[in-house]
Amino acid sequence: EIVLTQSPATLSLSPGERATLSCRASQSVSSYLAWYQQKPGQAPRLLIYDASNRATGIPARFSGSGSGTDFTLTISSLEPEDFAVYYCQQRSNWPQITFGQGTRLEIK
Amino acid sequence: QVTLRESGPALVKPTQTLTLTCTFSGFSLSTSGMCVSWIRQPPGKALEWLALIDWDDDKYYSTSLKTRLTISKDTSKNQVVLTMTNMDPVDTATYYCARILDSSSAFDYWGQGTLVTVSS
Repeated sequence: EIVLTQSPATLSLSPGERATLSCRASQSVSSYLAWYQQKPGQAPRLLIYDASNRATGIPARFSGSGSGTDFTLTISSLEPEDFAVYYCQQRSNWPQITFGQGTRLEIK
Repeated sequence: QVTLRESGPALVKPTQTLTLTCTFSGFSLSTSGMCVSWIRQPPGKALEWLALIDWDDDKYYSTSLKTRLTISKDTSKNQVVLTMTNMDPVDTATYYCARILDSSSAFDYWGQGTLVTVSS
């Protein structure tokens, strides 16, 4: 099973700051990596697919990068609505799919 | 417009079998490449992938739970059903169904989730 490790577990930042979230895979997942945002009481929302492609309707301040084992989700300038939990997910060894443990982005 | 909605019991007793139904619209599970998965999330914890069924009726399960899970589809009703046997309190979670294309890395549409509590 491919394990995804997200860091940090919690990130405390202020609106307007830049957020950098990391996801590391235990083995190469090529570019088969996605990022989701989840707010309390809501289903996850797809942000990024195939490591760097923004999903429909996702603001340009969200960007994804990386390939192989190291991936980054960057939020260029935090808006109040961006404070949430973020998950990465891989499907490299289809169809065995795994998620990371999440990064909580909280207001400082 | 793609939508998915989960339904099933909110409360089950330990050792019982859970049956959840995902009813979807806006796409057909007979279309090549189309897949539906079940994913769960215990309160305050991370997401866990459970099972997937594809347009060709191929079925795949989480390695750790495969002995307890069965996934099936009714294409005419636009439904996917998940059964989980021998429920335990640690199975208490919100259960989601979601769509994924076999050519994509991501679940692009999700249901709102249904909370299942396992308690006597």
